[in-house]
Amino acid sequence: DGGITQSPKYLFRKEGQNVTLSCEQNLNHDAMYWYRQDPGQGLRLIYYSQIVNDFQKGDIAEGYSVSREKKESFPLTVTSAQKNPTAFYLCASSIDDIRRSNQPQHFGDGTRLSIL
Amino acid sequence: ILNVEQSPQSLHVQEGDSTNFTCSFPSSNFYALHWYRWETAKSPEALFVMTLNGDEKKKGRISATLNTKEGYSYLYIKGSQPEDSATYLCAFRSNYQLIWGAGTKLIIKP
Repeated sequence: DGGITQSPKYLFRKEGQNVTLSCEQNLNHDAMYWYRQDPGQGLRLIYYSQIVNDFQKGDIAEGYSVSREKKESFPLTVTSAQKNPTAFYLCASSIDDIRRSNQPQHFGDGTRLSIL
Repeated sequence: ILNVEQSPQSLHVQEGDSTNFTCSFPSSNFYALHWYRWETAKSPEALFVMTLNGDEKKKGRISATLNTKEGYSYLYIKGSQPEDSATYLCAFRSNYQLIWGAGTKLIIKP
């Protein structure tokens, strides 16, 4: 089945540690996104990529980094500079840039990151 | 700062009853309004993308209306079933931005 796979489901980070969240899609979508969800808040955009080898900061990019070396893959690294990383992280994709088109997004199941 | 409000925050509905909830968004620079359903332990699933004032869309027992002039959209569920239990998210698309509401959590009581 076509879809988006996020791994791991749960992740624990120690102080000063970088951790990487995986996101893979087999929908042949050009655009991919990382969102963060905190309790009582709407999804907030961390980074997005419209095409391979290109990505842009979203609203809350500080303390995060991404890469887009392959169309299928958009990993997110939560660095030690992110002082409040405990949250639920969702990866999404769409046929083209959702900020400029009316295509819906397709989401993964998410990764819950906690601090040890 | 653009803001999207969803109300109520949570809702308990008896199985078989109909219900509705609201998404409020800025009435200027409107491009589209998205609705998603997010069941627990699953991924959010797109329900509707609405673009025109007065739009009404339907998917089974779920329908949505759109008023871009006053900045709101209603989601209706007719004859609620246990499988309707989920968080319903809306997202407002303005120029180069997609802004999400915090969601309405719907719990269907058998």
